[in-house]
Amino acid sequence: AQSVTQLGSHVSVSEGALVLLRCNYSSSVPPYLFWYVQYPNQGLQLLLKYTTGATLVKGINGFEAEFKKSETSFHLTKPSAHMSDAAEYFCAVSRTGGADGLTFGKGTHLIIQP
Amino acid sequence: DAGVTQSPTHLIKTRGQQVTLRCSPKSGHDTVSWYQQALGQGPQFIFQYYEEEERQRGNFPDRFSGHQFPNYSSELNVNALLLGDSALYLCASSLSGDRTDTQYFGPGTRLTVL
Repeated sequence: AQSVTQLGSHVSVSEGALVLLRCNYSSSVPPYLFWYVQYPNQGLQLLLKYTTGATLVKGINGFEAEFKKSETSFHLTKPSAHMSDAAEYFCAVSRTGGADGLTFGKGTHLIIQP
Repeated sequence: DAGVTQSPTHLIKTRGQQVTLRCSPKSGHDTVSWYQQALGQGPQFIFQYYEEEERQRGNFPDRFSGHQFPNYSSELNVNALLLGDSALYLCASSLSGDRTDTQYFGPGTRLTVL
């Protein structure tokens, strides 16, 4: 079975500061990993994904994430936070080959302080 | 490029009633997955449809059923509604040939059960 743990249900950073959202996963097979963002009253938008190859993955809106197999982590970062980054962020995992659906973490609410 | 669309946007039902939610996948996609997102939680996988058949199912009772049409659109049906079924229902589409099962989400249908 797969599972995803997102450390910190709420993270608050100042505008211009580094954003770090933590995600740890467990999977019995090599996983595919995803970060999604959800703005209020909207669906989920794909930020980035790790499948194979380069472990540092770049996404939209200046976000990036690094896959660390030894730490079973896939933390999301952005060098400089912007007010528009305030949203709910979800880490998700799927098994190789898919068809099982995505397993999501509980989400991290990112708050940007002016 | 049309994204994933869902209808209706909002729905209010009473306990014991039945509801049908609809989803049209992203252009070119042939696989549809449904998720339930309770307030303050991450999405939970309900089931996935491919070639008009349920391919995989999460931990949801038989009250939840679905259908996929030849044009790949899909319906989610929930019978004998319970208060606990109140949630945001998300539809996601993907391409069967994509082994990463990257899913693209619609805006969701907000179901309120009174």
